[in-house]
Amino acid sequence: KAGVTQTPRYLIKTRGQQVTLSCSPISGHRSVSWYQQTPGQGLQFLFEYFSETQRNKGNFPGRFSGRQFSNSRSEMNVSTLELGDSALYLCASRLATGTSYGRLYNEQFFGPGTRLTVL
Amino acid sequence: DAKTTQPNSMESNEEEPVHLPCNHSTISGTDYIHWYRQLPSQGPEYVIHGLTSNVNNRMASLAIAEDRKSSTLILHRATLRDAAVYYCILKGSNYKLTFGKGTLLTVNP
Repeated sequence: KAGVTQTPRYLIKTRGQQVTLSCSPISGHRSVSWYQQTPGQGLQFLFEYFSETQRNKGNFPGRFSGRQFSNSRSEMNVSTLELGDSALYLCASRLATGTSYGRLYNEQFFGPGTRLTVL
Repeated sequence: DAKTTQPNSMESNEEEPVHLPCNHSTISGTDYIHWYRQLPSQGPEYVIHGLTSNVNNRMASLAIAEDRKSSTLILHRATLRDAAVYYCILKGSNYKLTFGKGTLLTVNP
């Protein structure tokens, strides 16, 4: 079974531009979450989508947005890029959403990430 | 979100057990305890999770204190491939995983 894929793997942009990152979850997984990882702040949750609906949102400005398509693929958009947006953006998928105890609902599978550099 | 406290780094020798501690004194009754690890240049990887009882899987064991204010991830026989940053995370009713700084585990041959 193929893992979570993210494209592109590396990206260089300049301040003020916008960027769109793509994530394809594991086949059959319906939940996709996005995280930002920086050396200073560590891993921070951006948002989670399930069945094309945003279910949870982290504490990021409105410049960060996302969406999910009917095939569960997700995109993340950052507008008006700032130097501080340089980071590794990670996508994670899981089978379903909910509060059931089992591993089925709780295990997230992460992709390799997209390394974004803002100059 | 309830916070977790972990040592910044730990060191172990290959083939020896490793006990990675995590304090979560403000845990609520519905918070699950999750452990993920991140190998160099990779995304995080699920290790184990639990609620109240101790848990075992092929990767590790999770020992949860009776008052749930702390937990310990146990790697029974560390290998060089276990060198990674280990994150202890509390997950509430939503699925927002709040990662802390984690513990950098170094495994010596």
